[in-house]
Amino acid sequence: KQEVTQIPAALSVPEGENLVLNCSFTDSAIYNLQWFRQDPGKGLTSLLLIQSSQREQTSGRLNASLDKSSGRSTLYIAASQPGDSATYLCAVKPTSNAGGTSYGKLTFGQGTILTVHP
Amino acid sequence: GAGVSQSPRYKVAKRGQDVALRCDPISGHVSLFWYQQALGQGPEFLTYFQNEAQLDKSGLPSDRFFAERPEGSVSTLKIQRTQQEDSAVYLCASSLVMRIHEQFFGPGTRLTVL
Repeated sequence: KQEVTQIPAALSVPEGENLVLNCSFTDSAIYNLQWFRQDPGKGLTSLLLIQSSQREQTSGRLNASLDKSSGRSTLYIAASQPGDSATYLCAVKPTSNAGGTSYGKLTFGQGTILTVHP
Repeated sequence: GAGVSQSPRYKVAKRGQDVALRCDPISGHVSLFWYQQALGQGPEFLTYFQNEAQLDKSGLPSDRFFAERPEGSVSTLKIQRTQQEDSAVYLCASSLVMRIHEQFFGPGTRLTVL
């Protein structure tokens, strides 16, 4: 059974710092890995999606890397801002389920709560 | 609509009541997922539909949970005889077809059982 772990559980940093969020997963048979942002009381906003054949993806101040063989991904946030404060979730999509069909249910980590203070 | 919508956004139920949560997926999306997110946790898979067919309900925590998608579009998650442990945010996601397509999430329904 796939398990996804995120470290740290919470992080508080001053504005302007560069920071790294970590995600690890136990089963390397993944189709892709996705980083989401969740604001209080809101749904999930997709930030970056990395296919299993890719090593990294970048969007603005965000960079996500993937090392599938070691079961790790990192989300790097450059020059953090108070508006970055949110919960960050990583999720993996499997290559297939046990029955041979594949519809891609996501397995999530428990999230990292990020607070960026002015 | 442009995205996945869910209603109600908030629901308070007394223990033992039945509740029904609605999900309107993106038009044309074949796949529909329900996830449950307990406080301080990541979402956990509940069930999956491909059109009107429920192909996987392995994540439903008990037989009090029932989901349907009778016409292959709108889906309803029903919880019978709610318990306090059912308190959570229920998220719905839809995607075009299969694993190659990204899932888009709705805002969720926050259920509080008193």
